[in-house]
Amino acid sequence: NFMLTQPHSVSESPGKTVTISCTRSSGSIASNYVQWYQQRPGSSPTTVIYEDNQRPSGVPDRFSGSIDSSSNSASLTISGLKTEDEADYYCQSYDSSIVVFGGGTKLTVL
Amino acid sequence: QLQLQESGPGLVKPSETLSLTCTVSGGSISSSSYYWGWIRQPPGKGLEWIGSIYYSGSTYYNPSLKSRVTISVDTSKNQFSLKLSSVTAADTAVYYCARWGYDILTGYYSWFDPWGQGTLVTVSS
Repeated sequence: NFMLTQPHSVSESPGKTVTISCTRSSGSIASNYVQWYQQRPGSSPTTVIYEDNQRPSGVPDRFSGSIDSSSNSASLTISGLKTEDEADYYCQSYDSSIVVFGGGTKLTVL
Repeated sequence: QLQLQESGPGLVKPSETLSLTCTVSGGSISSSSYYWGWIRQPPGKGLEWIGSIYYSGSTYYNPSLKSRVTISVDTSKNQFSLKLSSVTAADTAVYYCARWGYDILTGYYSWFDPWGQGTLVTVSS
């Protein structure tokens, strides 16, 4: 099966914009939807982006998702960073009904 | 509002079978628009999908765990369950259940939402 590779950690200052990448090892990133989950310490994951670029109700429009077929990767972009955005972020996709999660990226807002 | 709640022993001995149940409330597990999944997270590590089940009983498993995993559904109780056999310390994790979106017309899958609160299972003698 395929893997989803994320940077281990990223950091940025409040008010800035950060982008977290998620690269698919084989198969096309565009062939199956990509989701992004936010997980704060001690809490269950919650969805911030689903179906590549859709935001669930209640998720601020500071969060956006995209896919890039040329790099075979998906990206989560968070603009106007707030300290409350500090969390772990996981991408997720699937192929032939087998689900794969990325290794997770720790976002530090300092 | 749909809620999921995991239940089961918090301590399992090595070589034994881990058994967990997820109870779904506020909605029917028999919806054609969703699968139901188990995901785990070892302490300090990332998320790992274990497997998913449809209300009809159709299942998909993580290939790396397939030989040890059984997921079943009980529509009369609105529950689905996980059994993981021959556990070792490496199976120590927080185990989550979650609903997985599914479009029956296109065959596409979507997001896991909502998730249960998770339950920590420790494998130790």
